[in-house]
Amino acid sequence: NAGVTQTPKFQVLKTGQSMTLQCAQDMNHEYMSWYRQDPGMGLRLIHYSVGAGITDQGEVPNGYNVSRSTTEDFPLRLLSAAPSQTSVYFCASRPRGKPNNEQFFGPGTRLTVL
Amino acid sequence: GENVEQHPSTLSVQEGDSAVIKCTYSDSASNYFPWYKQELGKRPQLIIDIRSNVGEKKDQRIAVTLNKTAKHFSLHITETQPEDSAVYFCAASSSGSARQLTFGSGTQLTVLP
Repeated sequence: NAGVTQTPKFQVLKTGQSMTLQCAQDMNHEYMSWYRQDPGMGLRLIHYSVGAGITDQGEVPNGYNVSRSTTEDFPLRLLSAAPSQTSVYFCASRPRGKPNNEQFFGPGTRLTVL
Repeated sequence: GENVEQHPSTLSVQEGDSAVIKCTYSDSASNYFPWYKQELGKRPQLIIDIRSNVGEKKDQRIAVTLNKTAKHFSLHITETQPEDSAVYFCAASSSGSARQLTFGSGTQLTVLP
């Protein structure tokens, strides 16, 4: 299993540009999430999904959209990039039920907005 | 919603000493408390977790304790080694519909040789 994969690893955008961060998992996990990581602020939840066709907002959703058309894929769209969105973005997945609730993270995407 | 506070933000210990990181949570419905380790430039990885029906859990040099009454939980690392140097995150989640994890702000642990 590849686990959770993310592309690209690095990206530089200009203010106002849009782009999509890709995330895929091959573990058949129902739950998928997007986090951003900024220095001293831990991991903050942007959007999450509990299954195909179901998404919801997390703590910091403004400026981002998501969709979940399949169990495997959960792309994150930046609509109009702003310097405040410079961050490291992690996608994660976890299974719905017990006993193993471990959440697996992707390798991350480092985004810089100029 | 849930709020998780983590202390200290930085911690330096001598190799072989113990390290303790503490977290508090606000939502009494939270029942799952994982700890993640993140090495520089890498993804967070689960090192240990505990559920609310257990007071303590150990895995070799790592242990986690949970006090549901006080709503706090702690990570204990004994006999620290240089490879334990990393950022450690605590998290909490409830058994609600989404069971999303709320993370603490992280602790940079440095083990000095």
